[in-house]
Amino acid sequence: NAGVTQTPKFQVLKTGQSMTLQCAQDMNHEYMSWYRQDPGMGLRLIHYSVGAGITDQGEVPNGYNVSRSTTEDFPLRLLSAAPSQTSVYFCASRRTAGGPVETQYFGPGTRLLVL
Amino acid sequence: LAKTTQPISMDSYEGQEVNITCSHNNIATNDYITWYQQFPSQGPRFIIQGYKTKVTNEVASLFIPADRKSSTLSLPRVSLSDTAVYYCLVGDGETGANNLFFGTGTRLTVIP
Repeated sequence: NAGVTQTPKFQVLKTGQSMTLQCAQDMNHEYMSWYRQDPGMGLRLIHYSVGAGITDQGEVPNGYNVSRSTTEDFPLRLLSAAPSQTSVYFCASRRTAGGPVETQYFGPGTRLLVL
Repeated sequence: LAKTTQPISMDSYEGQEVNITCSHNNIATNDYITWYQQFPSQGPRFIIQGYKTKVTNEVASLFIPADRKSSTLSLPRVSLSDTAVYYCLVGDGETGANNLFFGTGTRLTVIP
């Protein structure tokens, strides 16, 4: 099992550019989520998905879109990058969506710099 | 939504036991308490989870009093490699997704 993988590891964008951060898991997990982490801060939830075809907003969804066409993949799209979106982005997954909270597995992160 | 409060930072010498306390006054009946560890430039890693009383695994112990309004993560005999940020989280039992909301965590520095 590769676990949770993220690509790219590092990306530089100019203001206004768009890009997609990729996230994949090979554990057949139902629940996937995206977080951003700013320097010296904790993680903030952007979007999450409780299964293929189902997504919802987290704490800080503005400026980001997601989709979940398969169980394995959960890409995060920045439609028009802004300097305020400079951050480290983590994707995570866990086996089920509901019930008692289970172990969440995190990817290695994507470091994004918007100039 | 149950929020948590932790000390921002702690220092400890190698070989000592470290206790990090987390306050969660508004914890809901269905909520579990989970602790994660994060090293620099890595994603958080699950350490331990509990609902009440005491839970122990090979890495740590988690103590939860009867009122569940706080919890204490105990790391026995820390080493330099335990230097990391530790997050206390309480599952949002009000929604089916049980989203995890991270606070700012406790930065533990282990000193030689």
